[in-house]
Amino acid sequence: GENVEQHPSTLSVQEGDSAVIKCTYSDSASNYFPWYKQELGKRPQLIIDIRSNVGEKKDQRIAVTLNKTAKHFSLHITETQPEDSAVYFCAATLDNYGQNFVFGPGTRLSVLP
Amino acid sequence: DAGVTQSPTHLIKTRGQHVTLRCSPISGHKSVSWYQQVLGQGPQFIFQYYEKEERGRGNFPDRFSARQFPNYSSELNVNALLLGDSALYLCASSFKRTDTDTQYFGPGTRLTVL
Repeated sequence: GENVEQHPSTLSVQEGDSAVIKCTYSDSASNYFPWYKQELGKRPQLIIDIRSNVGEKKDQRIAVTLNKTAKHFSLHITETQPEDSAVYFCAATLDNYGQNFVFGPGTRLSVLP
Repeated sequence: DAGVTQSPTHLIKTRGQHVTLRCSPISGHKSVSWYQQVLGQGPQFIFQYYEKEERGRGNFPDRFSARQFPNYSSELNVNALLLGDSALYLCASSFKRTDTDTQYFGPGTRLTVL
């Protein structure tokens, strides 16, 4: 089955700096890679996703890159703000009957003012 | 539009008891998935239901079961509760069955087993 690793487990950056979180997956057949943000005590919220036929996707200050050959994908947040502080989860999934998301262990991002 | 809703928000049970958690998907969504999130970890997939049929099952014991109703709402049942079942149980809905469809999470039910 799919296995997703995520690094770093914690990340502290100064407000205005960039943050990068990296994930690797094991199954080369995985084809959809969402990123979720989870604030303390709240539900995971989708912030960006990428499909395997695309190498990069950007939405304002957030971007995701995918390297299918190396089986890794990364979340990039530019111009970080204190409200970006949260736990970020990457996930991978197969376009396959009955298979569902496999999440990474999470990265706790702290943006220091 | 209302998002995914779950009930109850919090629940305290003792070992050996059973529990039923409920989920209402976003209107029009036909797929419901259940995840268990232990403190400090990522969500772990338990079940997916689509059109009232089980379409996927994660690596959880038979004490865990679920069902989906004609209105696409869903219940997760856990029997013979163990201390290790204490977690946040998340429901996610999507329109289609396939995993490449965006999933939207509910607020979760926090289960504490004493």
